[in-house]
Amino acid sequence: QSALTQPASVSGSPGQSITISCTGTSSDVGGYNSVSWFQQHPGKVPKLIIYEVSNRPSGVSSRFSGSKSGNTASLTISGLQAEDEADYYCSSYTSRSTIFGGGTKLTVL
Amino acid sequence: AQLVQSGAEVKKPGASVKVSCKASGYAFTGYHMHWVRQAPGQGLEWMGCFYPSSGDTIYAQNFQGRATLTRDMSINTAYMELSGLKFDDTAVYYCARDSQWLVRGSAFDLWGQGTVVTVSS
Repeated sequence: QSALTQPASVSGSPGQSITISCTGTSSDVGGYNSVSWFQQHPGKVPKLIIYEVSNRPSGVSSRFSGSKSGNTASLTISGLQAEDEADYYCSSYTSRSTIFGGGTKLTVL
Repeated sequence: AQLVQSGAEVKKPGASVKVSCKASGYAFTGYHMHWVRQAPGQGLEWMGCFYPSSGDTIYAQNFQGRATLTRDMSINTAYMELSGLKFDDTAVYYCARDSQWLVRGSAFDLWGQGTVVTVSS
């Protein structure tokens, strides 16, 4: 199964909002409400920041929000901060696997 | 709760590697355990998962026949063995716990620290 499609990079200035898209098919993103987002800083372990499309784990800032429309999920980060600079990955449940997006590098200008 | 993985490995092409992942602080048998790898400078790649209680496994197509996921419930430890190593298997290998009790999903809320596997002649 092919990886989910994410933009390779996005950027924004401190205080701005950015959105990262994650496009799949009706067999993954569009078929289930089991889309997650992970944040990974260089050399660090990935961290879960969104699960089940729009839910935040305890301790994750409310500046992170998720949504889904059809076969595309989105991660929005509001009030960008320098510490948000990282790689972001989406993932989706499928009936026979879990698949990741290719990752998006967020640069805070 | 934590997952502690075994140390770095250096292997020759064609060899096998077995990485362990010891779980503590939670009910090991109630959560699916996933394995994810990340090649240098690359993204996350899901390898497969298993349900400790039953031993049921699912493998990604890319690893079918080459990866074997097992567990030892007596010591709350999961294992990932990868055979027929190739140079492009050089990566950091992670174990990661599914966030949902009993159910397989896509949210991994607890990760091991990663095990670096280097394939070199």
